[in-house]
Amino acid sequence: NAGVTQTPKFQVLKTGQSMTLQCAQDMNHNSMYWYRQDPGMGLRLIYYSASEGTTDKGEVPDGYNVSRLKKQNFLLGLESAAPSQTSVYFCASSLESRDQPQHFGDGTRLSIL
Amino acid sequence: AQSVTQPDIHITVSEGASLELRCNYSYGATPYLFWYVQSPGQGLQLLLKYFSGDTLVQGIKGFEAEFKRSQSSFNLRKPSVHWSDAAEYFCAVGGPTPQKLVFGQGTRLTINP
Repeated sequence: NAGVTQTPKFQVLKTGQSMTLQCAQDMNHNSMYWYRQDPGMGLRLIYYSASEGTTDKGEVPDGYNVSRLKKQNFLLGLESAAPSQTSVYFCASSLESRDQPQHFGDGTRLSIL
Repeated sequence: AQSVTQPDIHITVSEGASLELRCNYSYGATPYLFWYVQSPGQGLQLLLKYFSGDTLVQGIKGFEAEFKRSQSSFNLRKPSVHWSDAAEYFCAVGGPTPQKLVFGQGTRLTINP
């Protein structure tokens, strides 16, 4: 039972490069999320998707884009990477009710030089 | 908007000692509360959750938490910690929709042998 799978696990980019972080879930969840985790700041929501084909901004969306073409996949894109985007990125999924917990992947550690 | 405060950034306890991690929340309606644990290099794992009913909630790995509405608190406890409990712990409060989950800054737990 894979749950939420994120690829890659580690990535180093140069400033200005672009890349896509991938997230897949096999729990048939409607809702998916992208967070970033920085020291002392907990998790901050970047974007979320309540259902296939829909996406909405979270707390810190600038510099990112997302795509939810299939129910099981949620992609996070960095258009032009900046050092401030160095972080650990977590994908999560959940059922659509607010009383349901979110299930997290193991994260992608991204460094921007 | 809801918010969560975890007053202790870092706590050290001896193996076998009792543990209490503090969590204070701010939310105008009935809160949906969660505790997650994050081991190094891993994603977040749900320890327990509170929605309604009994204010003392049992979770996995021997953890429990008590909801106190009058104090706006949801503290996590364990009677006797094990070295494997060393991790970072996050309290979260759910908002009106699933994507409105707000995390605290986290408490890092170190266990002394």
